Amino acid sequence: QSVLTQPPSVSGAPGQRVTISCSGSSSNLGAGYDVHWYQHLPGTAPKLLIYGNFNRPSGVPDRFSGSKSGASASLVITGLQAEDAADYYCQSYDSSLSAPVFGGGTKLTVL
Amino acid sequence: EVQLVESGGGLVQSGRSLRLSCAASGFTFDGYAMHWVRQAPGKGLEWVSGISWNSSSTGYGDSVKGRFTISRDNAKNSLFLQMNSLRTEDTALYYCVREIRYDEYSSSFDHWGQGTLVTVSS
Repeated sequence: QSVLTQPPSVSGAPGQRVTISCSGSSSNLGAGYDVHWYQHLPGTAPKLLIYGNFNRPSGVPDRFSGSKSGASASLVITGLQAEDAADYYCQSYDSSLSAPVFGGGTKLTVL
Repeated sequence: EVQLVESGGGLVQSGRSLRLSCAASGFTFDGYAMHWVRQAPGKGLEWVSGISWNSSSTGYGDSVKGRFTISRDNAKNSLFLQMNSLRTEDTALYYCVREIRYDEYSSSFDHWGQGTLVTVSS
């Protein structure tokens, strides 16, 4: 059981918008720790997609956006493309565990 | 260009030891905290261990505490993970990861290696 809770899977057709949620608690997201998102394509290294709740590293398309409110966060992908099919993970820090924590991951299927 | 190259993985019997290494290049190694993150087959990402830039602070996930030891050699731009008393559940792809800190409440993992596979047999 992951400290951060994500839906196991989401799907959408090309061009559509999908949202991946990340639910935490008062010892991580609710305590004010930022959420970060990673994209993990099979056979490759995970890639930082969103940092500090909503910031995109250089090179990440603006189709990817993030937000956080209280103990919950969301990753939104608009204009879905076939190459977006991947596993997505949220990550934060947990003060009770004194450790970085990941969500269980969400598999995005592009129909 | 930031590069993190892991090595040292392999097939090992339960109860034995293994030492992972990570060679870093393309950035000022001693300016960053470093971590190991693993992914077991069919599972998600799991933080294993982290070490501060000067080795003054280390941390471990509950599943490896007391068995694994993280260390670094800033002179050689290298990160290590000594894994003792290995269990079958330690079977995973182990990633060397750089931490970037933004402020007191925010740090992420901005660069990842390709990983080294550790397989523990019974």
